[in-house]
Amino acid sequence: DGGITQSPKYLFRKEGQNVTLSCEQNLNHDAMYWYRQDPGQGLRLIYYSQIVNDFQKGDIAEGYSVSREKKESFPLTVTSAQKNPTAFYLCASRLQGPGQPQHFGDGTRLSIL
Amino acid sequence: RKEVEQDPGPFNVPEGATVAFNCTYSNSASQSFFWYRQDCRKEPKLLMSVYSSGNEDGRFTAQLNRASQYISLLIRDSKLSDSATYLCVVIGSGGSNYKLTFGKGTLLTVNP
Repeated sequence: DGGITQSPKYLFRKEGQNVTLSCEQNLNHDAMYWYRQDPGQGLRLIYYSQIVNDFQKGDIAEGYSVSREKKESFPLTVTSAQKNPTAFYLCASRLQGPGQPQHFGDGTRLSIL
Repeated sequence: RKEVEQDPGPFNVPEGATVAFNCTYSNSASQSFFWYRQDCRKEPKLLMSVYSSGNEDGRFTAQLNRASQYISLLIRDSKLSDSATYLCVVIGSGGSNYKLTFGKGTLLTVNP
């Protein structure tokens, strides 16, 4: 089945540790996105990528890093500089162009140990 | 004015009721509009796109008013399974057509 796969579903981070969240899609979408959602809050854009080897900061990029070496993959690293990483992380992708919706993975819940 | 604003909610309605949500947007050049549904602790899922002429999908009707810069979602004959958070999404035009802006969502609870 075509779709977006995020892993792991749950992740725990120790203080001072970097952790990487995986996002893979087989929808042949050009654009990929990472969002963070806190309890009772809306989605906030961390990073997005419109094409391989290119990505842009979103509204809350500090403490995060990404790479886009392959069209299918857009991993997100939560660095130790992100002091409040506990949240629900959502990866999404879409075809470029007007009228194209986003499709989401089923998310990763990150907590601090 | 925020880029995308939704009714604050929450909405609590009985089964069978009709409920409507509105969402306003600030960028008059916005091109594409969607409604998503998000269940508790799950990812958002596309409910429907919103077309200029309005569109319907079963019990759901979406409308766009470009002059007043808002979109709406009407749910008729509410079911218990409609309980969720409804998010409106707006896509910018031209150079920013990559960026989607999400509203914060409106929580709907349908009661027996």
